[in-house]
Amino acid sequence: GENVEQHPSTLSVQEGDSAVIKCTYSDSASNYFPWYKQELGKRPQLIIDIRSNVGEKKDQRIAVTLNKTAKHFSLHITETQPEDSAVYFCAASKGGSYIPTFGRGTSLIVHP
Amino acid sequence: DAGVTQSPTHLIKTRGQQVTLRCSPKSGHDTVSWYQQALGQGPQFIFQYYEEEERQRGNFPDRFSGHQFPNYSSELNVNALLLGDSALYLCASNSQGLTGELFFGEGSRLTVL
Repeated sequence: GENVEQHPSTLSVQEGDSAVIKCTYSDSASNYFPWYKQELGKRPQLIIDIRSNVGEKKDQRIAVTLNKTAKHFSLHITETQPEDSAVYFCAASKGGSYIPTFGRGTSLIVHP
Repeated sequence: DAGVTQSPTHLIKTRGQQVTLRCSPKSGHDTVSWYQQALGQGPQFIFQYYEEEERQRGNFPDRFSGHQFPNYSSELNVNALLLGDSALYLCASNSQGLTGELFFGEGSRLTVL
C-alpha cells in the first residue's frame, strides 16, 4: 500500500518567516495530494490540494509543489503568523475513492 | 448547513468491553470514512462506507466493524477493546467520485483503561 513520509516532525519559526514541510510517497499511481491543518483539539481541515497533472498551486500565503518523478511534494507557507501554528498533515490518494494515506504530521510553531 | 457530527465526544471504557461511535455526514454527502488518530500520529484509515456497504478497508482487525444507514449516517463498532485502541476516532464524509476534500468531524476520544 501507499506510504507517506513527512518531515520535519516539528518546525519552529519566527513570525514573518517562511515554513516548508516536505513529504514523499511510495505509490506512483497516487494522483491527488491534499494538505490538512489541525489546530489543537480541532478537526483536520483541508487547506490546499494538488493533482498530479499540476506542478504547483498557490492560494494567498500557501503554495504546494509536486515532483512526480521524485515522488515528493511540499507545502510552503510565507509570512507566517501565530495563527498558522497547528499540526499539518500531507496525504496521498489515487483513483476516485479519495481515501488518503496521511503522513505523521508536522507541528508548526510560529513565535510572535 | 451542519457539518459532520460525531457522538459521543469522549468516552472511557475498560479492556474487553465494546464501544459504538456514531457519525452523521455533512449534508449532501453519501460516503463516510472512519479514521483512527493515535496521539501524535496522522489519521489511519479504518474503512469507508458507501451505499450501505463497506467499500474499502484499511489494515485493522475484524474487531473493528461498521454500518451505514439509509440516511447515510454511520456507526463504528469496536469489540474486545485493547489498551492500544485508545485514540481519537474521526469520521469524514464526502460525495462519491466528486471533489477529493474530506470533511472531518470533531472526533470521539476513546480511552481504554
